[in-house]
Parts: sequence; structure tokens; C-alpha cells
Amino acid sequence: DAGVIQSPRHEVTEMGQEVTLRCKPISGHNSLFWYRQTMMRGLELLIYFNNNVPIDDSGMPEDRFSAKMPNASFSTLKIQPSEPRDSAVYFCASSVGISYEQYFGPGTRLTVT
Amino acid sequence: QQPVQSPQAVILREGEDAVINCSSSKALYSVHWYRQKHGEAPVFLMILLKGGEQKGHEKISASFNEKKQQSSLYLTASQLSYSGTYFCGTEYSGGGADGLTFGKGTHLIIQP
Repeated sequence: DAGVIQSPRHEVTEMGQEVTLRCKPISGHNSLFWYRQTMMRGLELLIYFNNNVPIDDSGMPEDRFSAKMPNASFSTLKIQPSEPRDSAVYFCASSVGISYEQYFGPGTRLTVT
Repeated sequence: QQPVQSPQAVILREGEDAVINCSSSKALYSVHWYRQKHGEAPVFLMILLKGGEQKGHEKISASFNEKKQQSSLYLTASQLSYSGTYFCGTEYSGGGADGLTFGKGTHLIIQP
């Protein structure tokens, strides 16, 4: 099993540009999570999908952030427009359910200049 | 509401024991423990569910006190490989209504 796949691994962009992060969960997992990690705020849950449906998006910081899960094998997190304070490592994780082990992808390190 | 972890950091000699605590101001449905090494993704250690069920690795032990809304992770006879940052994640309502809220982490350094 390839595990959770995220792309790109690193992204450097200028303020105001659109950024799209991608995630492929482990086959058979029906829960998908997007997290953001910074030194100041730690590991924060942004949004959580179950069976491709967004269940809890209370962690999405503002309207500039959006996430989609068009099918069971693909999800995107989009930031438009990006700002320097969005710089962080973004992790995607998947599991068979919320109260089960989550498998994290390698993360995308985003730098907004 | 973010759970509170203590201590913030621990330095141990190889072979020593450590306890990491996680406490919540809200009633808990489950507590999840993860370890993250520098530059890597978090890795699952254990889940403790309301009612006493546990899921996790055999070499890791933890407790969950529902009344006190606390969980503790016990690391015995620590090895160099135990170094990293330990996070607890709390789930407040069962049934998948909410995701995990993680604490700020406990940094564990094991010295030879």
C-alpha cells in the first residue's frame, strides 16, 4: 500500500496567488482529514470528510480556504488568494472512521512570500 | 477547545520512564495519541475510547479517566527511538460528528 499521497511536497508562491494542495487517501478509507501545522498554533484540523461529504469545516480559517472531495480517491484544499500567514505544513490523513487510526500523508510545506 | 498537555518537554536518559498527560475541560468520547519526529508526519500510537476500549500498539500503554477528563501515556524503559513530539487528540462526541482537536504537544528527548 502506498499510503496517503500528497502533492506537491513543497510549494513556494507569492501573496495573492491561488494554491491547490492535493491528497489521495488510502484505498478503502472513507474518512479524510486536512490539518495545518505551525509552530505557533500546533496541529489544527481544518476540515473532515466522511464518505466524500464534509462533516466538520469549523476549522477552516476563512473564506479564502475551500476543500472538495469529488470522489473517494481524491481531495483538494485550495487557498485563494494566499497570504504570508498561510505558510505552514498542510497534512492530509485518512482512516476507516473518525474513532480509528489516522494515517497521515507526508505533508505539503507551503511558503507564501 | 484545545486539550492541555503536560509537561511541555522532557529530557530522559535511555532506559528511564516518562508519563505524558492530556487533560480536557470538556467531556471526552475518545483520546488519540500520536508521535511525530522532526520533519515527518505524525504516526498513530493509541486510541482510548469512552467505556474502556483501547486500540493501539502492544508496547505502548495509556490510561483514560473519563471522570477527570484526562488521559496519560506511559513510556517505560525508553529507547532512543522514542524521541519526538507526542500529541494527544481529543474527540468530544462519538459517531463522527466532530474531528480531533490536538494539544500543543510534548517534546521528548532521549539521551544515550
